[in-house]
Amino acid sequence: ELKVEQNPLFLSMQEGKNYTIYCNYSTTSDRLYWYRQDPGKSLESLFVLLSNGAVKQEGRLMASLDTKARLSTLHITAAVHDLSATYFCAVVGYTDKLIFGTGTRLQVFP
Amino acid sequence: EPEVTQTPSHQVTQMGQEVILRCVPISNHLYFYWYRQILGQKVEFLVSFYNNEISEKSEIFDDQFSVERPDGSNFTLKIRSTKLEDSAMYFCATSIGRDRINQPQHFGDGTRLSIL
Repeated sequence: ELKVEQNPLFLSMQEGKNYTIYCNYSTTSDRLYWYRQDPGKSLESLFVLLSNGAVKQEGRLMASLDTKARLSTLHITAAVHDLSATYFCAVVGYTDKLIFGTGTRLQVFP
Repeated sequence: EPEVTQTPSHQVTQMGQEVILRCVPISNHLYFYWYRQILGQKVEFLVSFYNNEISEKSEIFDDQFSVERPDGSNFTLKIRSTKLEDSAMYFCATSIGRDRINQPQHFGDGTRLSIL
């Protein structure tokens, strides 16, 4: 059974700092997604990663995928308050269902 | 940008009652999903639906749950006899198809289901 783990679960960081969120998964997958969720809101798609070595960047966020290590990272550069949210990685298994990680709750403070 | 629309946004129901959650998928999407998220926890897959039949269901999706697409537009999730542990946020998601693997599943805003 495909399992997806994220760490850390909680991240409190100061504005302007850099940090990385890690997403490990247990079996082979050809697709990995990152989603953002604000409190009480829906899931907003951030990145779609399809192949080994894929790297995508949007603003202060950069996501990468290493399929051999079964690892994806979400790197935050020079954090700002607006990035405060919960971030989920989700892996596509053999079928199309998404298996979500535990989520990382990010809080950025001044 | 096209959206997945869910109604109602919040449903409060007595335990043992039936509830129907509704979703209007993005018009050219072919695959439909229900997920749930218990407060403070991760998002869990419930069921996937394609070509008017269930493709896959999780252990959570027991005999009390059903899905259908009654009129070609709405995609519904029915819980026949609700339990306290059914309290959660329920998300509908849709995707265009397996051959467009660079497209994510698009999520609706969710229905918060509270069982009393």
